[in-house]
Amino acid sequence: QSVLTQPPSASGTPGQTVTISCSGSGSNIGSNTVNWYQQLPGTAPKLLIYGHNQRPSGVPDRFSGSKSGTSASLAISGLQSEDEADYYCAAWDDSLNGLNWLFGGGTKLTVL
Amino acid sequence: QVQLQESGPGLVKPSQTLSLTCTVSGVSISSGNYYWSWIRQPAGKGLEWLGRVYPSGSTNYSPSLKSRVTISIDTSRNQFSLKLNSVTAADTAVYFCARGLYSEGFTSHDPWGQGTLVIVSS
Repeated sequence: QSVLTQPPSASGTPGQTVTISCSGSGSNIGSNTVNWYQQLPGTAPKLLIYGHNQRPSGVPDRFSGSKSGTSASLAISGLQSEDEADYYCAAWDDSLNGLNWLFGGGTKLTVL
Repeated sequence: QVQLQESGPGLVKPSQTLSLTCTVSGVSISSGNYYWSWIRQPAGKGLEWLGRVYPSGSTNYSPSLKSRVTISIDTSRNQFSLKLNSVTAADTAVYFCARGLYSEGFTSHDPWGQGTLVIVSS
């Protein structure tokens, strides 16, 4: 079971805005930045958002991230069929158990 | 263009040691603002970080796997490696190597290798 909690699935129709949540704790999201990764079927994860809401070069501005307390969200506006993928949040965790990169369990986005 | 490529046996017997190498091209593995991670993904499941190595050789490991994982770096070959000992079927997964980088005060993994499937079975 992942320490960062994401809904297992989300869906939307083309053009809609979809939001995916990621819940953690004070030792990870609460005190460190959150990254989001997109994994298309059969491929490696690709960095989508870093530092809560920074986009690497080439990532459309339809993708945006936010954070509040110990939770973070990824919003995808103007949903397109090519956005159908698995999305993962990630945050550094510096708890008493040790230093660790944590990932959410992933959210499978379906474009209806 | 930075690229990472995993290599190693695709089948490992239970109780043996899983060994993988990641070959980096397009950037020196010794570059100061980077570290190098191993991450795995069992079929149909989420991602799990195993650990990282810095160019200096310094490492951090996942607390849950710390007793079984060793990550090392070979700057002369521009490679870094993973060893996971005493494997069981639960270690069957796609193993990814990835670059960790610091940018604008933030850290993330980018890019990732394509991944290599390792099956633990007798």
